[in-house]
Amino acid sequence: EAGVTQFPSHSVIEKGQTVTLRCDPISGHDNLYWYRRVMGKEIKFLLHFVKESKQDESGMPNNRFLAERTGGTYSTLKVQPAELEDSGVYFCASSQGRVFDYGYTFGSGTRLTVV
Amino acid sequence: QQQVKQSPQSLIVQKGGISIINCAYENTAFDYFPWYQQFPGKGPALLIAIRPDVSEKKEGRFTISFNKSAKQFSLHIMDSQPGDSATYFCAAPGTYKYIFGTGTRLKVLA
Repeated sequence: EAGVTQFPSHSVIEKGQTVTLRCDPISGHDNLYWYRRVMGKEIKFLLHFVKESKQDESGMPNNRFLAERTGGTYSTLKVQPAELEDSGVYFCASSQGRVFDYGYTFGSGTRLTVV
Repeated sequence: QQQVKQSPQSLIVQKGGISIINCAYENTAFDYFPWYQQFPGKGPALLIAIRPDVSEKKEGRFTISFNKSAKQFSLHIMDSQPGDSATYFCAAPGTYKYIFGTGTRLKVLA
């Protein structure tokens, strides 16, 4: 079984540019989560999809962040325009069902650096 | 928004020693508390988890101790090995998601 795939693994962009991160969850996993970790801080929740619907987007920092999940398969997270404070590692995770029953499978993350 | 307080931030242990990482959480509607282990360049992976109908769960050299009344739980790594060097995150249940701690970077010296 393939795991959760994220790309790119690294991205360095200038302030004001746009970046799009992609996540391919494990096939059949309806639940998809985005998290972000800034150096030394917690892994912070951004949002949760169930299939193609946003279940919870309470962690999205502001309207510069846009997440989509086309057809309930892969998901993208777009940051436009990027700011310095957006730097961090963005993790995607998927779950077969309720997370408290099945747990998360994380991808390896995308390290975003905004300069 | 619930917070999970994790300590210490970093830990250095001699090979064969005991590593202890502590977490404290706020109110939660569900009872399932996992620990995740993360190696450099990889995503966090589930290490061990506990449902607090028990006060302790052991899997090999890894043990979770849980104190529900104090809202605290801890990870003990017995006979720590250099291969255990990683970042460890505790997590507490939020609303259909986990809330993670700030992580503990563990280094086990050979």
